[in-house]
Amino acid sequence: NAGVMQNPRHLVRRRGQEARLRCSPMKGHSHVYWYRQLPEEGLKFMVYLQKENIIDESGMPKERFSAEFPKEGPSILRIQQVVRGDSAAYFCASSPYNEASSYEQYFGPGTRLTVT
Amino acid sequence: EDKVVQSPLSLVVHEGDTVTLNCSYEVTNFRSLLWYKQEKKAPTFLFMLTSSGIEKKSGRLSSILDKKELFSILNITATQTGDSAVYLCAVRSYNTDKLIFGTGTRLQVFP
Repeated sequence: NAGVMQNPRHLVRRRGQEARLRCSPMKGHSHVYWYRQLPEEGLKFMVYLQKENIIDESGMPKERFSAEFPKEGPSILRIQQVVRGDSAAYFCASSPYNEASSYEQYFGPGTRLTVT
Repeated sequence: EDKVVQSPLSLVVHEGDTVTLNCSYEVTNFRSLLWYKQEKKAPTFLFMLTSSGIEKKSGRLSSILDKKELFSILNITATQTGDSAVYLCAVRSYNTDKLIFGTGTRLQVFP
């Protein structure tokens, strides 16, 4: 059973370019979460998605950032017109759906974005 | 504002030592507290705690939650160099499914 998969693992972009980060959740998981980790800081929540729905985007910057989780295919985190401050590790996590109980989130290996 | 504070920020010990990592939190409508281990890659899940006073144990690692005093501890006995990592604590509330993380405790175990 493959874990959470993210690609690319490393991404270098020049200022002003677009970055697309992909996340495939674990098999059977229908919830996807994106977190950002700046150097020497903890993980910060960005967005929570289910298939075709954004449930909570309270951690997303208002501009340049967007996320989707289509019916088919991976979840995509898109950063337009990247700036140096976007350089960070971006982690995706997934969890199964279980209304009755709390459940853990499993993390992917992350995408390390470097903006030059 | 919900927040999680971990201490110490870093810890250096020798193999065989026992360590205790602390996590205190303030969160509205607390649901669960989770511990993760992060080496130079993905955080890997260790424990999820929802009830006070019930110790969770996995090998040399154990953890317990105190919902009255709003904290949790993670104990590692007979530490090994492979335990060197950043240990992250996170909480979840009933209001939202997102995890709120502390900044982590960096543990270094020397032979």
